[in-house]
Amino acid sequence: SQQGEEDPQALSIQEGENATMNCSYKTSINNLQWYRQNSGRGLVHLILIRSNEREKHSGRLRVTLDTSKKSSSLLITASRAADTASYFCATDAPGAQKLVFGQGTRLTINP
Amino acid sequence: DGGITQSPKYLFRKEGQNVTLSCEQNLNHDAMYWYRQDPGQGLRLIYYSQIVNDFQKGDIAEGYSVSREKKESFPLTVTSAQKNPTAFYLCASSIDRENEQYFGPGTRLTVT
Repeated sequence: SQQGEEDPQALSIQEGENATMNCSYKTSINNLQWYRQNSGRGLVHLILIRSNEREKHSGRLRVTLDTSKKSSSLLITASRAADTASYFCATDAPGAQKLVFGQGTRLTINP
Repeated sequence: DGGITQSPKYLFRKEGQNVTLSCEQNLNHDAMYWYRQDPGQGLRLIYYSQIVNDFQKGDIAEGYSVSREKKESFPLTVTSAQKNPTAFYLCASSIDRENEQYFGPGTRLTVT
């Protein structure tokens, strides 16, 4: 069952620009998580935001959560070539016993 | 990749053979998970275990089996009943269901 859906599916920007990815979901959640995956590797956890939080920061990353719109956004500021990866949102819904991952946004940073 | 290891990185098998993928963690996490990822796709949950000697089916458990005899280990067997086993398999663990998951480097299985 698909809960989180990322938008856009692919994003290509110049190094130094900001990148924004969005995630929409269908049901209420306990928390929403963002992960990064470099090609052919495992996922790396970036940020977890709980349903009672609206914004969280971690270095150049900023995540917002709007539970009324059932959406979240991930902003990467001052992008670098090393940020090239796929980014996934995952939702933890009450009683679901598992995370549900979206299809991901493939981000390419051009030098 | 944290404290989770998966082996081997690449695995090749003939159709009709069962194959077991290894997943070990030294993070003292109670929960462990197996996901399947197909090219350009997100992750789909195969099996998960919240505690030793207990596990539940995920969304695509058919053709797979697991065991959780030790807290550190959660091996996945891909049986000959799995119709399309060629994929990238990811193991993860977490302190509990409500917290972030830590992923292993993955095993790429090719069945011909």
